[in-house]
Amino acid sequence: EAQVTQNPRYLITVTGKKLTVTCSQNMNHEYMSWYRQDPGLGLRQIYYSMNVEVTDKGDVPEGYKVSRKEKRNFPLILESPSPNQTSLYFCASSAQLVTSTDTQYFGPGTRLTVL
Amino acid sequence: AQKVTQAQTEISVVEKEDVTLDCVYETRDTTYYLFWYKQPPSGELVFLIRRNSFDEQNEISGRYSWNFQKSTSSFNFTITASQVVDSAVYFCALLPPLTQGGSEKLVFGKGTKLTVNP
Repeated sequence: EAQVTQNPRYLITVTGKKLTVTCSQNMNHEYMSWYRQDPGLGLRQIYYSMNVEVTDKGDVPEGYKVSRKEKRNFPLILESPSPNQTSLYFCASSAQLVTSTDTQYFGPGTRLTVL
Repeated sequence: AQKVTQAQTEISVVEKEDVTLDCVYETRDTTYYLFWYKQPPSGELVFLIRRNSFDEQNEISGRYSWNFQKSTSSFNFTITASQVVDSAVYFCALLPPLTQGGSEKLVFGKGTKLTVNP
């Protein structure tokens, strides 16, 4: 079954405590990205990756890091989380939306609360 | 700059009514893609449709239909004979052409919350 998995699904943490949200896809997709969803602001892209070792900033990259050492994994790292990073995070992957008829698959979401 | 506007923040209908969700986009590009996603109360994002800018044919999929009009930069979504299970937040999104760096960055509208009452 084609899927994007994220872990953890829910996390409550404190300011400054480093955390990683993992994302994995089993579709051999080249393209992966992270979005955050906030009330009234919709979904905004944080980072994206076109392929292994190729990553770049989206609209709201401040306070986040990513890595793409393997094709299937694209973890989101918060080195020093702050309360304004409390949000619902989605990982997504696709086989390149503009060159295929594939869709963009989203993970189930990670609800993060930073106290 | 690219922008997607979903002017209807919330819509409430009674089951079996037809409902149209509006989506207006802004882009200077001639090549782009438009999408609709559904986010049910459980929170996941479900892909509904993708349309490229060169294909203005309307599409129907069961009770769902989409009306793409380049002249008005709109990509509206209609649910016919709505059902309670259609209750969700619906997002319209725009994918500009690949930048030199290759970003496939979806630009989302802020969503329309649809409530279908029994």
